Amino acid sequence: QKEVEQDPGPLSVPEGAIVSLNCTYSNSAFQYFMWYRQYSRKGPELLMYTYSSGNKEDGRFTAQVDKSSKYISLFIRDSQPSDSATYLCAMREAGTALIFGKGTTLSVSS
Amino acid sequence: ETGVTQTPRHLVMGMTNKKSLKCEQHLGHNAMYWYKQSAKKPLELMFVYSLEERVENNSVPSRFSPECPNSSHLFLHLHTLQPEDSALYLCASSQDWGGYTEAFFGQGTRLTVV
Repeated sequence: QKEVEQDPGPLSVPEGAIVSLNCTYSNSAFQYFMWYRQYSRKGPELLMYTYSSGNKEDGRFTAQVDKSSKYISLFIRDSQPSDSATYLCAMREAGTALIFGKGTTLSVSS
Repeated sequence: ETGVTQTPRHLVMGMTNKKSLKCEQHLGHNAMYWYKQSAKKPLELMFVYSLEERVENNSVPSRFSPECPNSSHLFLHLHTLQPEDSALYLCASSQDWGGYTEAFFGQGTRLTVV
């Protein structure tokens, strides 16, 4: 079993939709959870960063971590065409390198 | 533009060539990383440097040779590569290695081995 599983999509939604992106993981020692956004031909940029379980909100973006289920989510409200990108989840335990999912490609049509 | 700059942005090289990728960070970070990003695969960590010392080397073939002359610069020297080494090579930095810090990425070098 891979450490981090992420459905690569592609996921296509109309403008204004609520988008849910998810990752599951197997290592219960993971404590730090991140979401990166990567536009075509660009490097990943950090979007959200959470520690342990719970929710974190930043504008239209909400990150959720459920450590009991080993499941993390990123919600995008009122999605915009500019949100079209690949979203990478990443996580790690203290003192180790980030482990990434494969990324989910999102397309928001106007 | 992020605080991490990579050059060149694109590179085409033959299997017998020797080339180097360069990364520079302007963030005052102490840790720097090389990642490989191939189509339909997760980012793969290649090397980690913390305070100019290599702290992690994830079973990377010897045809990839990193160099970190100071905390702001990181190089990846390439020689006798294979076509399967074609990928996007990303450099990243973070304030510290292993602590409560996130990584910032450069734009990447798109490498094609012919």
